[in-house]
Amino acid sequence: EAGVAQSPRYKIIEKRQSVAFWCNPISGHATLYWYQQILGQGPKLLIQFQNNGVVDDSQLPKDRFSAERLKGVDSTLKIQPAKLEDSAVYLCASSFELQDTQYFGPGTRLTVL
Amino acid sequence: QKEVEQNSGPLSVPEGAIASLNCTYSDRGSQSFFWYRQYSGKSPELIMSIYSNGDKEDGRFTAQLNKASQYVSLLIRDSQPSDSATYLCALNPDSSYKLIFGSGTRLLVRP
Repeated sequence: EAGVAQSPRYKIIEKRQSVAFWCNPISGHATLYWYQQILGQGPKLLIQFQNNGVVDDSQLPKDRFSAERLKGVDSTLKIQPAKLEDSAVYLCASSFELQDTQYFGPGTRLTVL
Repeated sequence: QKEVEQNSGPLSVPEGAIASLNCTYSDRGSQSFFWYRQYSGKSPELIMSIYSNGDKEDGRFTAQLNKASQYVSLLIRDSQPSDSATYLCALNPDSSYKLIFGSGTRLLVRP
């Protein structure tokens, strides 16, 4: 069974630029999560989808971050404009249903200069 | 107060010893608890989940939960150098299915 796929793996941008990350969950997984992991910290949930609906986006900085999962499968997370403090690893995870084990993708390491 | 507290470490133990990793949490309504292992530069992977007070064993790993004391621990018996990683404690707050993570404890197992 293929795992969670993410791209790109690394991205370096200047502050105030825009960036987008892509995630493809494990086939059949209804729930998809985006986490931000800053160096030395644990992952922090940004947004949680159940199929194509948002379950929780309470910690998503909506003035600059947006995410969508239009067809209930893959998802994109966008930052516009980026700030220095957005430098982090962005992890996508998926689970079969809400209460099931979350499986993480390899992450995208973002550096904002 | 952080929702999930862990000592950042590093916790250094010799090979073959028992490593004890601890985690405290603030939300008394939390029901489900998890331990994830994260190797440097890699993504977290689930090691153990525990939902009831007491111990839960899986191979060399034992998770312990004490809801009255709001305390979760992970014991690793016969520690191996390959166990060297950061161990993240996580929980589902209240009835939510989202995960709240601690900052992790870095474990070093010396050969």
